[in-house]
Amino acid sequence: TQLLEQSPQFLSIQEGENLTVYCNSSSVFSSLQWYRQEPGEGPVLLVTVVTGGEVKKLKRLTFQFGDARKDSSLHITAAQPGDTGLYLCAGAQDSGYALNFGKGTSLLVTP
Amino acid sequence: KAGVTQTPRYLIKTRGQQVTLSCSPISGHRSVSWYQQTPGQGLQFLFEYFSETQRNKGNFPGRFSGRQFSNSRSEMNVSTLELGDSALYLCASSLAGTGFTEAFFGQGTRLTVV
Repeated sequence: TQLLEQSPQFLSIQEGENLTVYCNSSSVFSSLQWYRQEPGEGPVLLVTVVTGGEVKKLKRLTFQFGDARKDSSLHITAAQPGDTGLYLCAGAQDSGYALNFGKGTSLLVTP
Repeated sequence: KAGVTQTPRYLIKTRGQQVTLSCSPISGHRSVSWYQQTPGQGLQFLFEYFSETQRNKGNFPGRFSGRQFSNSRSEMNVSTLELGDSALYLCASSLAGTGFTEAFFGQGTRLTVV
């Protein structure tokens, strides 16, 4: 059972466009993390959000944690080809010992 | 500092065989977690070790096992391999646990079962 549902699964856009990726769950998480994974590599942590309603910005990336700590979104402004990759959200269990991952959103940004 | 090292990078095994994968965490990190990544299921948690103790285990059959040594290096073993075990196996290293502190992933071991 996948605790975290990500949408869309695939996204192909042109350079300069904006996009939003969603991560939804019926479960409450103590924290939620976003990763980016490139082919042949392991996931790399982008951000961790902990507080309900929290918004974090990382250059052109904006991350938001839902008020109820069940959902999150990632917004990319003016996407660039270097943003291409698999974006994964992961919720931490209360124990902190494991992460529940969504299946990911595969993003392709073409010049 | 050196990152997480997983060996081997690629492995081809025959159904019914067993396999051992290795993970060397970042120096000073005592938590090592293992995940299985497949196109259909995404990343799924296998187990987590901290100071040689397994603290949590995912919903995988008993054919999947692991251990951690006193130097924090970890191994996972899969016995009686099945075709469905073909996947990318990722190891994550963290100071206290992937939910508490930043997790650093290795490049993974790509296992193909034929």
